[in-house]
Amino acid sequence: DARVTQTPRHKVTEMGQEVTMRCQPILGHNTVFWYRQTMMQGLELLAYFRNRAPLDDSGMPKDRFSAEMPDATLATLKIQPSEPRDSAVYFCASGPLSGGSYEQYFGPGTRLTVT
Amino acid sequence: GQNIDQPTEMTATEGAIVQINCTYQTSGFNGLFWYQQHAGEAPTFLSYNVLDGLEEKGRFSSFLSRSKGYSYLLLKELQMKDSASYLCAVRDLGKLIFGQGTELSVKP
Repeated sequence: DARVTQTPRHKVTEMGQEVTMRCQPILGHNTVFWYRQTMMQGLELLAYFRNRAPLDDSGMPKDRFSAEMPDATLATLKIQPSEPRDSAVYFCASGPLSGGSYEQYFGPGTRLTVT
Repeated sequence: GQNIDQPTEMTATEGAIVQINCTYQTSGFNGLFWYQQHAGEAPTFLSYNVLDGLEEKGRFSSFLSRSKGYSYLLLKELQMKDSASYLCAVRDLGKLIFGQGTELSVKP
């Protein structure tokens, strides 16, 4: 049963600290997405990779956020320095480029709390 | 701009039918998705429409009218476990743009 995995599942940190979130997409999926979900804003796209190349990161605050795919099995999202307003659930999703509906499969999320 | 509208919340009775509407205005369109999200969990895929018409999958059906920028999700024979948030999303150039979601409460 292939799944997207994310670590850590929960993270509590103090303002100013660096936060790194990791995602392992489903093997064979060549699109990877990072989303942020809050009660106020809903689900927002932060970054989108296709074949490990960043295609769209317009939703990401570039002064503090960075997203990378060092290899096909790992995507990372970093926040440095973190701020209380970054508190949210961060989801990673992956999907195939071909084969039908192109649905995205979401990981369980990382719940981040910045105090 | 990108705009996807859905009702914030709905309530329905167990065993009944409920229709959740979604209207959209996006710069591009490559399909419309519905996702279900239970509290504290990740969104899970329900349906996909790229052509006009109705797609049926068990108790769930989804309808699309591209000319009207309109879709709905129809849930039949409601069960208590259907209480969740339902997210409408438009695919535009490979990425999904999500609506705010409709919180559905199913009452006994």
